[in-house]
Amino acid sequence: GQSLEQPSEVTAVEGAIVQINCTYQTSGFYGLSWYQQHDGGAPTFLSYNALDGLEETGRFSSFLSRSDSYGYLLLQELQMKDSASYFCAVRASDKIIFGKGTRLHILP
Amino acid sequence: GAVVSQHPSRVICKSGTSVKIECRSLDFQATTMFWYRQFPKQSLMLMATSNEGSKATYEQGVEKDKFLINHASLTLSTLTVTSAHPEDSSFYICSARTRMGQGSTDTQYFGPGTRLTVL
Repeated sequence: GQSLEQPSEVTAVEGAIVQINCTYQTSGFYGLSWYQQHDGGAPTFLSYNALDGLEETGRFSSFLSRSDSYGYLLLQELQMKDSASYFCAVRASDKIIFGKGTRLHILP
Repeated sequence: GAVVSQHPSRVICKSGTSVKIECRSLDFQATTMFWYRQFPKQSLMLMATSNEGSKATYEQGVEKDKFLINHASLTLSTLTVTSAHPEDSSFYICSARTRMGQGSTDTQYFGPGTRLTVL
């Protein structure tokens, strides 16, 4: 089966940097995605890593190490609007399986 | 980017009735559609995978006779919650995928979700 582990909550200060880690166990791994979800809304796609290394998209970066079954999402220059839940998700075979999500609290 | 719509966005129904939720890919053909359920403050749980023209594949623990999925065309999938009960109240989200990428950007797009409340 598949399982993903990520912290349930993280708190950071506006303007700071925060890293959300994700470890996974799966068979047939294709890649690791990250999604953002605000309260009451649907998840929105942030990034996808199929290969090892760092992918940067604006203030957000995502990293993958396939050998360690580990990835992280890095958010820089935090803004209050970044307060949300962040899910790592594994593409395994023909479907995407989500982690339990990390609730990011941002303090002014 | 690609757009996936869901209808209705919210529905309230009485216990024992059936509710149909539509998921449409608006500007692309979706070879595969997925249905997820999310309870408050919890993760998205995959319910089933449907491929156009064939029967849906349900995840373990999901009753296929209760959650009927039809994927009749490349742009439309429907989820029918039959004989709904209060414990079925949840946020239902569909997603649609185009052809499987080859290590490229993820090509699965999510709909805005449908909030079901069963009284």
